[in-house]
Amino acid sequence: GNSVTQMEGPVTLSEEAFLTINCTYTATGYPSLFWYVQYPGEGLQLLLKATKADDKGSNKGFEATYRKETTSFHLEKGSVQVSDSAVYFCALSDRGNQGGKLIFGQGTELSVKP
Amino acid sequence: DGGITQSPKYLFRKEGQNVTLSCEQNLNHDAMYWYRQDPGQGLRLIYYSQIVNDFQKGDIAEGYSVSREKKESFPLTVTSAQKNPTAFYLCASSPLRQGINEKLFFGSGTQLSVL
Repeated sequence: GNSVTQMEGPVTLSEEAFLTINCTYTATGYPSLFWYVQYPGEGLQLLLKATKADDKGSNKGFEATYRKETTSFHLEKGSVQVSDSAVYFCALSDRGNQGGKLIFGQGTELSVKP
Repeated sequence: DGGITQSPKYLFRKEGQNVTLSCEQNLNHDAMYWYRQDPGQGLRLIYYSQIVNDFQKGDIAEGYSVSREKKESFPLTVTSAQKNPTAFYLCASSPLRQGINEKLFFGSGTQLSVL
């Protein structure tokens, strides 16, 4: 079945460092791909998305490119801030069945130190 | 303001007790979802509903029940059959278009613990 695998955390970086969080997926069709962010004690918020191969999603300095050839959707940011500390979830949309449910990776915790 | 409201924020369950988690949305979304979040395991789908009076089991439905009597409400009951209920529960909704999920809107969650 469809699945999402993320790099394990926690990831600890200094402010202004470059961030990469790896995400790979397994899907039988052509899913939409998402990155969600969860701040402590809160629900998830959509960070960015891409709906087809070679699309680049971007928001708040974060970006990710839908790579069909490597089945990847890695999250990147050129210069992280302390306020980016959160848990990041990669997800895919199970298109066409099961009510459009999202399948999530296990989450990657990011901690940015001043 | 439009959004999803979950209540209570914290809930405690005694042995053998059923408890109900509330989820209300005023976004006029057709689809609603319940996810369970455990540390290091990401989110797992419990139940989902695409229209009123209809719902489907997700990946871990055993020990849970839901109802969808109104479009804006999707309560989740954690029954005594759920032997390991301690988790963070997240409700979400989505404006499904042609069966495709464009974006999930999440509530702020309910932390359920066993006494």
